[in-house]
Formats: sequence, structure tokens, C-alpha cells
Amino acid sequence: EPEVTQTPSHQVTQMGQEVILRCVPISNHLYFYWYRQILGQKVEFLVSFYNNEISEKSEIFDDQFSVERPDGSNFTLKIRSTKLEDSAMYFCASSDSTYNQPQHFGDGTRLSIL
Amino acid sequence: GQQLNQSPQSMFIQEGEDVSMNCTSSSIFNTWLWYKQDPGEGPVLLIALYKAGELTSNGRLTAQFGITRKDSFLNISASIPSDVGIYFCAGREGSQGNLIFGKGTKLSVKP
Repeated sequence: EPEVTQTPSHQVTQMGQEVILRCVPISNHLYFYWYRQILGQKVEFLVSFYNNEISEKSEIFDDQFSVERPDGSNFTLKIRSTKLEDSAMYFCASSDSTYNQPQHFGDGTRLSIL
Repeated sequence: GQQLNQSPQSMFIQEGEDVSMNCTSSSIFNTWLWYKQDPGEGPVLLIALYKAGELTSNGRLTAQFGITRKDSFLNISASIPSDVGIYFCAGREGSQGNLIFGKGTKLSVKP
């Protein structure tokens, strides 16, 4: 069964550095999402992406964050000037429609900011 | 922002028992999804619901989309040890695509 894959599985970065988290969505899906989950807390929406542009974003997704689909298969989340509170699991998800289709999640990237 | 109230927060049950958990929202949702998350992994979709009143099963799991469109429940029958994990409800409201997650129900099953 097709799945969403994320790399790396764990990223350790010094505070203030930039990180890029990578995702390969399911190949025929058109809608892409990033969520984060701070340890022990619920999953929170960050951003959705369709047709090479952001379609929705949450309050969490400020100017520190950006997303890109650099080619036909990858979907990336860039975090500039990381802060300690950016430490979390970051999940990528994809769906083939916004409506009436579920989102399928990857196994996440654990981001640890030191 | 919108909040989902998911209960119970945790459950400790004996293998073979049935389990029920639910989510409520203050606003109307057009989609309800139930996910299971194992440690160190991403949420895995269990059941998706798209119509008010819809009742859907996936093996021993049954979920319903409440007729008010503000709630959903998930039942697990005859629990087994591999049912252990955190179960999340998630809803989608209006025309937005993003999912709003509940805080999860942590299920522990004693053999």
C-alpha cells in the first residue's frame, strides 16, 4: 500500500540554525499538509499546500516557516532560526482531495533543538 | 481556536473487553476521522466518516458520525493486546482542509 515517507526520522539541531524536513507524499495525491505534535500533546495543523501554493495555514505557521515542492515528488518544510520550542514531531500528510478523502500521515521527523 | 473534547483521556481494560471513546465539538464538522498512533510513529487512519448518522465498521472497530454533526464515537469490540496505543479523533469543518485533532485516548490492554 502506498505510504507517505519522511526523512530524516530524527534531526538534532542547534538553536538558531535552519532545518529542512523532507516528505514524499503518496504519488497520486494533490494536497499536502504539515502538522506538528509537541511531546505528549495533540497533533496541530501547520499548513496545507495545493497547486504549488499554500492554501491554509495556522497561527503557528509564522514567517519562520516555509514550504516548498521543489520537484514532482518532494514536499519540504523549512524552519529558519530554530527555537527551543520548535522541538516536536513533525508529520507530513497527503490526500487526493480536500473533501471526502482522508489524509494519510508519514511516521514523522523528530526535531530536537539544543 | 476550535477545540475537540475527547474522552476518556485514558483507559485501562482487560483483554476481551469492549471499549468506547468519543469526541464532541462546539461547531459542526463535515468529516470525522479516527486515527491510531503507536509510539514513534505517525497517526494511522482507522475509519473515515463523511455523513451525519453514518455508521462504519473496520473489523472490530465501529465508528459513528453523530446526527448533530458535532460528535463521533469509536467502539472497539473484544480488545486484544495490539489495540494498545493512542486513539485520536480528528474533524474537518466547513470548506477548510485542515484537520483538528482531539487530545487522544490512551488505551492500555491487560492480557
